[in-house]
This record gives sequence, C-alpha cells and structure tokens, in this order.
Amino acid sequence: KAGVTQTPRYLIKTRGQQVTLSCSPISGHRSVSWYQQTPGQGLQFLFEYFSETQRNKGNFPGRFSGRQFSNSRSEMNVSTLELGDSALYLCASRRTGSGSYRNTGELFFGEGSRLTVL
Amino acid sequence: AQKITQTQPGMFVQEKEAVTLDCTYDTSDQSYGLFWYKQPSSGEMIFLIYQGSYDEQNATEGRYSLNFQKARKSANLVISASQLGDSAMYFCAIPISNFGNEKLTFGTGTRLTIIP
Repeated sequence: KAGVTQTPRYLIKTRGQQVTLSCSPISGHRSVSWYQQTPGQGLQFLFEYFSETQRNKGNFPGRFSGRQFSNSRSEMNVSTLELGDSALYLCASRRTGSGSYRNTGELFFGEGSRLTVL
Repeated sequence: AQKITQTQPGMFVQEKEAVTLDCTYDTSDQSYGLFWYKQPSSGEMIFLIYQGSYDEQNATEGRYSLNFQKARKSANLVISASQLGDSAMYFCAIPISNFGNEKLTFGTGTRLTIIP
C-alpha cells in the first residue's frame, strides 16, 4: 500500500514569508503527527491531529499551525518565517489515535519536506 | 520530562560484523515503550523495533534485537551481520509523557557507516 506522502519535498523561502506543507497519510490512518528535525535541536514533536482535531501540541510558537481534513490529509503552516525554521519537516501517520503501540502499530513516516529559509 | 541519550555520534563497522548502538533513557513513567528508527539519506524514518517496559523477553525483529536492561534504563540496539544498506542514522525514542505512543521524544542519533 502507498506510504505517507509529503509535498513539496524541497522548498526555499525568505524570511517573513509563510509556507504550507502537505501530508497524505496511509489509507485508513486517522492520526497524523508532525515533527521538525534540525541539526541543532534534533527531532522535535510539533503537533498531532486525529479526526480533524488537534489533540496535542509541542513546545513551538503560535507561528506553527496545522489542520486536518475529513480525508485525514493534513497541512501545517509556518507564518513569518525565520532563519531558524530551516529544517526537515516530517509527517507520520498511525492507524488509530490512541492506545498502546501493540494495539495500534507504529508510526509510519514520510520522507519529509526540506525547508530552507534565506 | 522524558530524555533519550545516544552517546555515539558516529560508528564505522566492517560489513558482516555485528554492531551495538547505545541508548539510555530517563522517564518517570512506570509503563512505557522504547522505539528504534532508522533514517537513511532519503529522510524517511523507518520503524525497526519496539520494546515494552514490562516485556519479559528482549525484542527481536530479524537481524535487529534489543538488549533491554530496565534497571539501568538502557535499550541498546544490536544489528547482526551488518550490510551496506544498514548505513544510516539510527534514533532511539520514547513516548512523551502524558501523550500517547505516537508522540515521541528522540535521541540525537548515531550515524552508522558500514565499510565494505
């Protein structure tokens, strides 16, 4: 079956602009999480959506936002871009939104969207 | 807060040899799980193996196994008979407390290079 698809794969923006990244989860997966990966901070949890609702959010400023559509596809938006927002943004989907790993399986990640802010 | 420590930033291993990647963790949760993911240069995080804190046996998945020592809060990944395709970044992860198993705290990773 098709994996998690993220678009675009690469993009370049300038400071002050905004960006929208898209994630299509594996068919049937209703939970979508977003992570930011940078050389300095490593992998950090951004937020998680389930059934179109944001259930949890990591320690990021309000410039980072997201949403989930009825088909479980998700978008994240970063407004007023800063140089430090340059990162690989990874999306992950999971079969259900809660419960232990044994009941719901592991996170499946996409290949990420690599954002460069100039 | 949960914390994962991976002390080996990089490792070089001869092909076909076994390799152990270290991971120690800190958590106040009584019940938790530990994950290992592989990240090749393509960027995708690939799930390798999971260990539950109350599992009586160490987890195994093909060539991957976990050396889980709960009292020492250690969950080292062992890759047997390494292959060139094993060259990648490897991350140990633990669920963020009060969230679910889908929200993880990751270590800084170990870059493994397999030498032919």
